[in-house]
Amino acid sequence: EAGVVQSPRYKIIEKKQPVAFWCNPISGHNTLYWYRQNLGQGPELLIRYENEEAVDDSQLPKDRFSAERLKGVDSTLKIQPAELGDSAVYLCASSTGHYNEQFFGPGTRLTVL
Amino acid sequence: RKEVEQDPGPFNVPEGATVAFNCTYSNSASQSFFWYRQDCRKEPKLLMSVYSSGNEDGRFTAQLNRASQYISLLIRDSKLSDSATYLCAVINSGYSTLTFGKGTMLLVSP
Repeated sequence: EAGVVQSPRYKIIEKKQPVAFWCNPISGHNTLYWYRQNLGQGPELLIRYENEEAVDDSQLPKDRFSAERLKGVDSTLKIQPAELGDSAVYLCASSTGHYNEQFFGPGTRLTVL
Repeated sequence: RKEVEQDPGPFNVPEGATVAFNCTYSNSASQSFFWYRQDCRKEPKLLMSVYSSGNEDGRFTAQLNRASQYISLLIRDSKLSDSATYLCAVINSGYSTLTFGKGTMLLVSP
């Protein structure tokens, strides 16, 4: 069974540029999460989807971040414009339900110059 | 006080040693508890869920102490391959969000 797929794996951009990350969860997983992990820190939730509905986006900086999961399967996270402080690893995870085990993708390592 | 706190380490132990990590949480209403393992530059992977009665999986034992609000992870007979960062994670009933600690780094040496 394929795991959570993310692309790209690495992205280097200049500040003020836009960037987008893509995630395809494990087949059949209705719950999808986007996390941000800074160096030396644990992952921090940005947004959680139940199917196509964003049920927890309280930690998403909505002035520059946006996310969508239009058909309740794959999802895109966008940053526009990127700032230096956005440099981090962006992790996508999925599960069969919110209290069930979350499976993480390999992450996208973003560097903003 | 942070929601989930861990000693960042590193814990340096020789092969074969027993090592234990604690993780404290601030919300007494927390419902679910987990230990994740994260290798360098890799994604976190679930190691164990932590049940009220405690649970054991081979060399790994997890315990929950609700009165003192901490969970623990005990690793017996450490292997070189156990070297990693161990993240504890907590789900609070009110927020339904998985909150991670910063992780504890373990280095097992020959």
